[in-house]
Amino acid sequence: DAGVIQSPRHEVTEMGQEVTLRCKPISGHDYLFWYRQTMMRGLELLIYFNNNVPIDDSGMPEDRFSAKMPNASFSTLKIQPSEPRDSAVYFCASSLRTSRETQYFGPGTRLLVL
Amino acid sequence: AQSVTQPDIHITVSEGASLELRCNYSYGATPYLFWYVQSPGQGLQLLLKYFSGDTLVQGIKGFEAEFKRSQSSFNLRKPSVHWSDAAEYFCAVGANTGGGNKLTFGTGTQLKVEL
Repeated sequence: DAGVIQSPRHEVTEMGQEVTLRCKPISGHDYLFWYRQTMMRGLELLIYFNNNVPIDDSGMPEDRFSAKMPNASFSTLKIQPSEPRDSAVYFCASSLRTSRETQYFGPGTRLLVL
Repeated sequence: AQSVTQPDIHITVSEGASLELRCNYSYGATPYLFWYVQSPGQGLQLLLKYFSGDTLVQGIKGFEAEFKRSQSSFNLRKPSVHWSDAAEYFCAVGANTGGGNKLTFGTGTQLKVEL
């Protein structure tokens, strides 16, 4: 398996622009997670899905952030409009079932908002 | 809510020396505990995990961790560090919220290995 795939790997945009991050989970995994990593706040869970349904979005910072999972093999995290404080590395992870299952992380998308 | 504390932000060890990275957790029930490693520019890779049973857990790359309930700790150890172990290490606690495995990560420990 190719593992979790994220695109783009790097994104540079200007404040106010829309940003879309993409994730393809490992085939057969039921859960998909979006994380954000910054120096100040460390690794934070933004939202996660089970069988394409959002389960917990309490970590989404504000309404400018939205995430979708239209099918089992694709998810997006969108920021509109983007702000400089959104600059971070965004990780997608997937896992089988629940609780005891390992989360497998993608390589991340490094976002810089100017 | 669960939480994880990694008290050491940076640790430097010499190659061949032993290593112990500290992790303390807070969780009201039996925790699921994980150690992940992140190399520069990469995603996180699982080193090992603890759910139940033997409190000494073996992982990949020669790492092990010991769960101590009385101390709420899950420290990571390696008897002899290699230069390739230089990376950032994250401890995490998982909670079965009834809908999935929600991991809470510590702030990480950056390991530097001196040759």
